[in-house]
Amino acid sequence: AQSVTQLGSHVSVSEGALVLLRCNYSSSVPPYLFWYVQYPNQGLQLLLKYTTGATLVKGINGFEAEFKKSETSFHLTKPSAHMSDAAEYFCAVSGNTDKLIFGTGTRLQVFP
Amino acid sequence: EAGVAQSPRYKIIEKRQSVAFWCNPISGHATLYWYQQILGQGPKLLIQFQNNGVVDDSQLPKDRFSAERLKGVDSTLKIQPAKLEDSAVYLCASSASRDRGTEAFFGQGTRLTVV
Repeated sequence: AQSVTQLGSHVSVSEGALVLLRCNYSSSVPPYLFWYVQYPNQGLQLLLKYTTGATLVKGINGFEAEFKKSETSFHLTKPSAHMSDAAEYFCAVSGNTDKLIFGTGTRLQVFP
Repeated sequence: EAGVAQSPRYKIIEKRQSVAFWCNPISGHATLYWYQQILGQGPKLLIQFQNNGVVDDSQLPKDRFSAERLKGVDSTLKIQPAKLEDSAVYLCASSASRDRGTEAFFGQGTRLTVV
């Protein structure tokens, strides 16, 4: 079975500061891992995904995430936050199938 | 390329009434998903279609929820009768295949409020 834990339901950063959103997963098979972003009143948009190969994955809008099997983590980072990054971020895992299991989300606030 | 279209965007109904949501996936996408997103939670898969066949409906409360995708394109999700706990955003998504890692594209969702 698969599950995802996102630590911190709310994260606040200043514009220009490092963004770090935490995600830990549990999977009985080698996981595929995803980060999605949801802007207010919008659907989810894929930021990046890890399937196999390189453990550091780069996505859109300057975000990246690193798959660490030993820590069962897939944390999302961005070196410098922008006001437009304010949104809700969801980590998701899939196991043997294409079915996505989502975490509870982290709301990112960016202050000027 | 047009995205996933959903309607209506918002719906308010009284408990025990019925409601239906409509989804038009991206053209050519054989796989279609319906998710329920309750406030403060992540999306939860309700049902998955491959063309017009159901792949997974293990999380669908079948006593009150039903869904169909008759011609393998558009889909409707129905709730009858609605309960207060059905208040949520209902998201439709589609993907080009069922291969692991294939990106799912989401619509804007329908926000249902049951009073």
